[in-house]
Amino acid sequence: DIVMTQTPLSLPVVLGQPASISCRSSQSLVHSDGNTYLSWLHQRPGQPPRLLIYKISNRFSGVPDRFTGSGAGTDFTLKISRVEPEDVGVYYCMQATQLRTFGQGTRVEIK
Amino acid sequence: EVQLVESGGGLVQPGGSLRLSCAASGFPLSSHNMNWVRQAPGKAPEWIAYITDTGTTTHYAASVEGRFTISRDTAKNSLYLQMNSLRAEDTALYYCARDGFYFHIDVWGKGTSVTVSS
Repeated sequence: DIVMTQTPLSLPVVLGQPASISCRSSQSLVHSDGNTYLSWLHQRPGQPPRLLIYKISNRFSGVPDRFTGSGAGTDFTLKISRVEPEDVGVYYCMQATQLRTFGQGTRVEIK
Repeated sequence: EVQLVESGGGLVQPGGSLRLSCAASGFPLSSHNMNWVRQAPGKAPEWIAYITDTGTTTHYAASVEGRFTISRDTAKNSLYLQMNSLRAEDTALYYCARDGFYFHIDVWGKGTSVTVSS
């Protein structure tokens, strides 16, 4: 099974400042079809997760361009260029190259 | 509007069974792979089951393999999860979730709560 490890688990941020979350997989996420099925999701309390980024770096419909995904192989990063109040919550990476696995989550809070 | 609405959750004793349903609207189930994902309080989501758009292939997480069965009814445009031999550790909010074209989960229901306790 592929294990997804996120760092940090907690991220205090200053409004208007950048933030970065790392996600590492226990094996390469490059699928046999050549694609890398790594996505990022955001969850606010009492709500289901919401898709932000798919296939490493593709922003989902309606997602602000302050969210950027990058990486390759086993190492991936989600960056927020300037944190807004609505960005608080928990961020998860998820791989779908081999079944599906979620990272343990990174809680973003305002400092 | 694309929507997923789960139902069927509740309180069940250990060893008992429950059948969850997910009514899809705004798209045909036959056009997307579908998943069940659960989330225990304060924990990360856990993917547990998957069915292909053709309905011919299913996959399960090791934690539920042999106890849970995912199925669908395209005439009713509904997804199901039959859960048998339930354990305390199956207590969670269960989400129905749709795969996008690149296997990302792009649509989530609001979830139905399952509590396994005597």
